[in-house]
Amino acid sequence: NAGVTQTPKFQVLKTGQSMTLQCAQDMNHNSMYWYRQDPGMGLRLIYYSASEGTTDKGEVPNGYNVSRLNKREFSLRLESAAPSQTSVYFCASSLQTGTIGTEAFFGQGTRLTVV
Amino acid sequence: SQQGEEDPQALSIQEGENATMNCSYKTSINNLQWYRQNSGRGLVHLILIRSNEREKHSGRLRVTLDTSKKSSSLLITASRAADTASYFCAYTGKLIFGQGTTLQVKP
Repeated sequence: NAGVTQTPKFQVLKTGQSMTLQCAQDMNHNSMYWYRQDPGMGLRLIYYSASEGTTDKGEVPNGYNVSRLNKREFSLRLESAAPSQTSVYFCASSLQTGTIGTEAFFGQGTRLTVV
Repeated sequence: SQQGEEDPQALSIQEGENATMNCSYKTSINNLQWYRQNSGRGLVHLILIRSNEREKHSGRLRVTLDTSKKSSSLLITASRAADTASYFCAYTGKLIFGQGTTLQVKP
C-alpha cells in the first residue's frame, strides 16, 4: 500500500515561475489537505478538500490554487512563485473531516526552494 | 490565526523519564489528535481523543482533554531515545496544527 504519494520530492524554482505539486492517495479517503511547514512554525493549512468536488481555504491560501481532480488526487499550484513560498509542503488525507474527523495520513513532503 | 500553542517549545529529558507536553487551542473542537514527526519527514498519527472524552491511553501514551480550558496534554511514560521527535496537536474539522514541541530523549 503506497498511502499518500507526493511528487516531486525536491524542486527549485525561479521567482515568477509556476509549478504544480501532485498528491495522490490510494486509501479511498474522502478528505485531503495541503500544508506548508516553515522552520519553527509548525504546519499551516493552505487548502483542504472535505470531499470530491469541494475545496476550501485554510490558514494561508494566498498565492496558491488547488484542484481536486478526482477522489484520489489533490494538486497544489503556485502560479507565480515567490521566495516567501520556499518551504516544505505536505499533503495529507483522511477518511473524513468535519464533525467526525479521523486520523490523517501524510506524504513524505516536497522541499521547494524559490530563488 | 487559528493556530494553537504548544508548551514547551522544546524539551530535553533522560531516557526512562516521563515527558509531558501541552496544547492549547482557540476554537471549539470535535476531536483533538496528536502526531509525531521525525526529522522533517511526514507526520505519523499517534492518538485521537473526542470532545466527550477526558482521557485516553495507547501504550506508553496518555492524552487528556479539558474542553473548558481549551487544552490537551500528551504524556509519554518511560521515554526512549527513539521517542526523540517533534510532537504536534491538531484539531477542528479542518485539521489545524499547533506549533509543536521538540522532544529530545538522551540515552
